[in-house]
Amino acid sequence: DIVMTQSPDSLAVSLGERATINCKSTQSVLYSSNNKNYLAWFQQKPGQPPKLLIYWASTRESGVPDRFSGSGSGTDFTLTISSLQAEDVAVYYCQQHYSVPFTFGGGTKVEIK
Amino acid sequence: EVQLLESGGGLVQPGGSLRLSCAASGFTFSSYAMSWVRQAPGQGLEWVSGISGSGDNTYYAGSVKGRFTISRDTSKNTLYLQMNSLRADDTAIYYCAKCSGSSSYHPVDYWGQGTLVTVSS
Repeated sequence: DIVMTQSPDSLAVSLGERATINCKSTQSVLYSSNNKNYLAWFQQKPGQPPKLLIYWASTRESGVPDRFSGSGSGTDFTLTISSLQAEDVAVYYCQQHYSVPFTFGGGTKVEIK
Repeated sequence: EVQLLESGGGLVQPGGSLRLSCAASGFTFSSYAMSWVRQAPGQGLEWVSGISGSGDNTYYAGSVKGRFTISRDTSKNTLYLQMNSLRADDTAIYYCAKCSGSSSYHPVDYWGQGTLVTVSS
């Protein structure tokens, strides 16, 4: 199984500051035939289901604010919130959908400092 | 508008069975792969099972293989998860999720609200 490791487990960021979450996979999730990274990012607020933010590692889902961006390729990925807003307080998960089972990272809790 | 409505959760004894349903609307059900993802209380997300849009291909996490069966009924626009030989560590909120394409290898783009399964004597 591909293991997804997120870091840090939690972070506290001041309003308007940058938040950076890392996700590392134990094997590449880049599919060479289409040059796509099979990596998605989700946001989950308390009491709610997850919400898709980023897919194919760097494509922002429709309606997601442009302060959210994804980057990386192969085994190392990053989710960046460029200017943290109060409504961004949540747990963020990465998931690989390259190889069954489609594993998630352990989650990163983002709070306001 | 895409809507996914799970049902069938509840309290079941260890070793028992339960069938979850997910009623889908707002999209052409047969064109999209579907998945089940669960979340134990206070824990992270765990992918459980997936099925292609055609229903020809099914996939399972090792922790449920041989005990859970995913299926879909296109005539009813409904996804199912038959869960047998339930154990305490199957206790979780079970989310139905839609993939963005016909293959289970597409990313999930919509989630239901979830249904709680509690396995306890």
